[in-house]
Amino acid sequence: GQNIDQPTEMTATEGAIVQINCTYQTSGFNGLFWYQQHAGEAPTFLSYNVLDGLEEKGRFSSFLSRSKGYSYLLLKELQMKDSASYLCAGATNKLIFGTGTLLAVQP
Amino acid sequence: DGGITQSPKYLFRKEGQNVTLSCEQNLNHDAMYWYRQDPGQGLRLIYYSQIVNDFQKGDIAEGYSVSREKKESFPLTVTSAQKNPTAFYLCASSTTGGGYGYTFGSGTRLTVV
Repeated sequence: GQNIDQPTEMTATEGAIVQINCTYQTSGFNGLFWYQQHAGEAPTFLSYNVLDGLEEKGRFSSFLSRSKGYSYLLLKELQMKDSASYLCAGATNKLIFGTGTLLAVQP
Repeated sequence: DGGITQSPKYLFRKEGQNVTLSCEQNLNHDAMYWYRQDPGQGLRLIYYSQIVNDFQKGDIAEGYSVSREKKESFPLTVTSAQKNPTAFYLCASSTTGGGYGYTFGSGTRLTVV
């Protein structure tokens, strides 16, 4: 199967760091994507991990361990505008999405 | 500028009517996809097409139909057989094999009354 699991909701404080985890059960993924989605809008690309390890891009970092079926998205220096849903997606010849994590950033 | 266009943004239909959602891309992408999103949920794959005149069912294809007669266009028809059609529909396209090249349209919110 290609189940992808994420926490449903998370809350964090402005200026803090938050880690959103994603676990999956498949051996067929070529890589793992993270997207940000504000309500009623299209997902916006954040990161794509093909190899194991950490990819850093400004305030956002993403980590992948293919052997463990595990990824996380790390958001630093949280801002109010980071309140959104964060979607983890595995890539084969299509994208398979997890249920998404709704992040609420509080003052 | 290249991109992917979905129209209309909002669509209202009466129960029992078929409705077709448009998706057009000028990115020269071979692959196109349709996803459905319900409130508080992730994206679920309805249909996808890797090449013109060919398409495959995704996880929730029942009650939907598609066609891929042109590389640029991948319309989705929501038929009366779809029991709960009210949702947010997203179209995407990519280069063959995907990689970094997935692009999403802005979505169509369908409400069936």
